[in-house]
Formats: sequence, structure tokens, C-alpha cells
Amino acid sequence: DTGVSQDPRHKITKRGQNVTFRCDPISEHNRLYWYRQTLGQGPEFLTYFQNEAQLEKSRLLSDRFSAERPKGSFSTLEIQRTEQGDSAMYLCASSLRQVVRTSGNTIYFGEGSWLTVV
Amino acid sequence: DQQVKQNSPSLSVQEGRISILNCDYTNSMFDYFLWYKKYPAEGPTFLISISSIKDKNEDGRFTVFLNKSAKHLSLHIVPSQPGDSAVYFCAALSQGNLIFGKGTKLSVKP
Repeated sequence: DTGVSQDPRHKITKRGQNVTFRCDPISEHNRLYWYRQTLGQGPEFLTYFQNEAQLEKSRLLSDRFSAERPKGSFSTLEIQRTEQGDSAMYLCASSLRQVVRTSGNTIYFGEGSWLTVV
Repeated sequence: DQQVKQNSPSLSVQEGRISILNCDYTNSMFDYFLWYKKYPAEGPTFLISISSIKDKNEDGRFTVFLNKSAKHLSLHIVPSQPGDSAVYFCAALSQGNLIFGKGTKLSVKP
């Protein structure tokens, strides 16, 4: 299977600790996105990369959050000094450079990484 | 302020009948819409999309209708099957990323 993969799938951490999530996009996709989903809400956009360049960041991405995609392939999302409000599912997605307005090219999501901050 | 709204948190239908999931949007600049299906503890799975130059797109049991003047779209599933039970998200493409509604939980009863 060559879909979007995320690791770890589940992470429980104590408040104040740092956590890092990894995402491997579909191999030919050069856009990579991070979203966050909390209970009862739809996924909320955090940031996206075009190759290794971070092109947009949401206001949801506080200073404690940092995302990287150093070689334009996999990406990491680090959360420093975690807070209980960071508990959520963190979703990674990828697409070709431009989402062409046809059904053949869209944004594909990974399985998500669950974070629980206790 | 929510730009994509799914006002029905849940919907229950009988197997074999039609499921209709609704979505409203506020930004008339949106020109491409997608529906995703999500099972618990999994990522969203792309279902079907529609461009604003069309008013209908069909793929098997799934049809999406777009009413631009009303800023409304709907997803029809016919016939509904128990395996369709999931949360369905409507999303609009905006400047390269997706803006999602809160989702509608569909339950298809045998």
C-alpha cells in the first residue's frame, strides 16, 4: 500500500512534554498538509508544504508547534510543552502540486495520529 | 465564523433507502467541493467531488448536487448500505487547502 502513512498512531504524554509525529506522503505527491481534528469537529487546517517550503500556516499553529519537511519527502510535526488542549487527532494529507478540479486528483489523508495529553 | 456548515449532526436511514446529506457554504469564491467519509479512529477517505461549473456529479451509488445560487450542496447515497455508516464531511477547496464542515454521522440500519 502506498498511501499516506503516519507514525505513531497513538501517543499518550504528560503535560509539558514534547511530542513529534511523522508523516510519509504518497511518493509522487509534492504537497503535504497537516490538519487537526477534535471530537465533534471537522479537520482544521494547520499548515502545508510545497516540496520543502512551508507555504502557509494557520493561526491555530501556535509557537509551540513546528513542522518541517527537510528534503521535500517526509514531514514531522513537533509540539513542545504539550497542554491538555493539544489532545486531538493529527492528520497528515498529501496531493499533487495543484489540486486539479477533477475527481482524479485530490487530497488524500493518512490514518491519523491520536495524541492524549494527561 | 464557519464557512462550511453541516447543520445535521446525525442521520438515520433504513438499508436500501436513500441517504441525503446536506452542506451549506458562505463564501461564493469557493469553486470546488469534496465529500469525505470517516470511520472512527481512521483518517478521512475521499468519496466524490464537484466543480462549480457543474451542478451534478455521479459515481456509482454516490451523487453530489451543487446549487450555486443557494450555496448548497448535497450528497445522495442510493441505495444505502450498513457499511455506509460513518461520519461524512463536506469540504471546500480554498487557496490550496480544505475547509471542512463539522460532519454528519450517518447510521444505516439493516
